[in-house]
Amino acid sequence: NAGVTQTPKFRVLKTGQSMTLLCAQDMNHEYMYWYRQDPGMGLRLIHYSVGEGTTAKGEVPDGYNVSRLKKQNFLLGLESAAPSQTSVYFCASNRGVYNEQFFGPGTRLTVL
Amino acid sequence: DAKTTQPNSMESNEEEPVHLPCNHSTISGTDYIHWYRQLPSQGPEYVIHGLTSNVNNRMASLAIAEDRKSSTLILHRATLRDAAVYYCILGGEATGTASKLTFGTGTRLQVTL
Repeated sequence: NAGVTQTPKFRVLKTGQSMTLLCAQDMNHEYMYWYRQDPGMGLRLIHYSVGEGTTAKGEVPDGYNVSRLKKQNFLLGLESAAPSQTSVYFCASNRGVYNEQFFGPGTRLTVL
Repeated sequence: DAKTTQPNSMESNEEEPVHLPCNHSTISGTDYIHWYRQLPSQGPEYVIHGLTSNVNNRMASLAIAEDRKSSTLILHRATLRDAAVYYCILGGEATGTASKLTFGTGTRLQVTL
C-alpha cells in the first residue's frame, strides 16, 4: 500500500514551458486535491475532485488545469509556466468530507 | 470562511507535555476542528479532529472549549520527532463538495533535549 505518490519529485522549467504533475493513490479514495506551498506559507488549494471525471476550482486555480480520468489519478497541468508558479506542490486524497486527508511527498518545481 | 489564530512558534523540552493553542472565535456550528502537522521537507500529516467533545488518539489529544471558540492540541510527551509545523484548521463542510481545508501559517514547534 503506497498511499499517495507524486511524480516527479523535482523539476526545473523555463518560463513558457508546459508540464504535467501526476498524483496517484491506491486507497480507492473518492476525493483528491492539489495544493501549492510557497516558502514560509501554509498550503493553498488549487483544484480538487470529488470523483472520477469531476474537477472543481480551489482558492488559487489560475494558470493550472486538472483532469481526473481515472479514480486513482489526478493530474495537474501547467500550460505556460511562470516564475510565480515556483512552489512545492502537494497532492492529497480522502474517502469523504469528514475524513482525514492523506498527503503525498510533494513536487518541488522551479520556474526560471 | 472561519479563521484560526495560532502562535507563530513554541518551544518544548523532550519528554514534557506540549499544549498548542488555537483560537477560532468565528467557528460555525458545523465546522470540525482539524489538526495537521508538517515535518521538515514532508507533506502534511493528519493528527486529530473533533467537533464538540474532547478526542484522544495514539498521537495526541484535542481539548475543545465548551463554547468551541478555542481548542488545544496536547502532545503528552514531546519527542524530537514531534518538531514540526502544526496547523489548526476549520473544515469539513457539510455540503458534499469535499473537505476543503484552509491552511494558515501554523505553529512551529521546536523540541530540545
